[in-house]
Amino acid sequence: AQSVTQLDSQVPVFEEAPVELRCNYSSSVSVYLFWYVQYPNQGLQLLLKYLSGSTLVESINGFEAEFNKSQTSFHLRKPSVHISDTAEYFCAVSEGKGGSYIPTFGRGTSLIVHP
Amino acid sequence: DGGITQSPKYLFRKEGQNVTLSCEQNLNHDAMYWYRQDPGQGLRLIYYSQIVNDFQKGDIAEGYSVSREKKESFPLTVTSAQKNPTAFYLCASSRLNREDQPQHFGDGTRLSIL
Repeated sequence: AQSVTQLDSQVPVFEEAPVELRCNYSSSVSVYLFWYVQYPNQGLQLLLKYLSGSTLVESINGFEAEFNKSQTSFHLRKPSVHISDTAEYFCAVSEGKGGSYIPTFGRGTSLIVHP
Repeated sequence: DGGITQSPKYLFRKEGQNVTLSCEQNLNHDAMYWYRQDPGQGLRLIYYSQIVNDFQKGDIAEGYSVSREKKESFPLTVTSAQKNPTAFYLCASSRLNREDQPQHFGDGTRLSIL
């Protein structure tokens, strides 16, 4: 069965500083990986996804994540954060053929950007 | 624009009362899901449906019921048997059996006990 671990429940950081939100997964088959962002009192929005090919994927607002198969990780990074990046971030994994198509979500990491 | 609409945004339940949360989508997705979100616990799957008139229990189905009479609609009823219903409820949809496709989410319903 697939599982996702987000290692930090809360990450405080100052504006314009770099940030990394960590995500590790476990699965016995090939996986698809996603990062979602949730602003207060809203639903989740897709930030970026890894399906295949290049292990580095980027979003339109400066976030990037790297798929590392040997370390079973999919950490999210941004070189310089803004106040508006303050939100909850969820890592999710779904399995390829032979596994569950229903994604499993991590418990979330609250990114708090201070001025 | 296509999307998922959840209503109401806020809902209050009295003791012993059943309440129904609405979820409608116009994305032509076959699969729909209900999640419960509590602080620090992420998203937990309540029920999901892959096709009209069929649905399956998720990890925390006790105290909840659903129906899927139309492809576009997947209402969730929180029954009086659910002793701790205070939470944020999220509805989602996706293409069927496309594990490489992301889920689309509504903006949630926050349920509280009076």
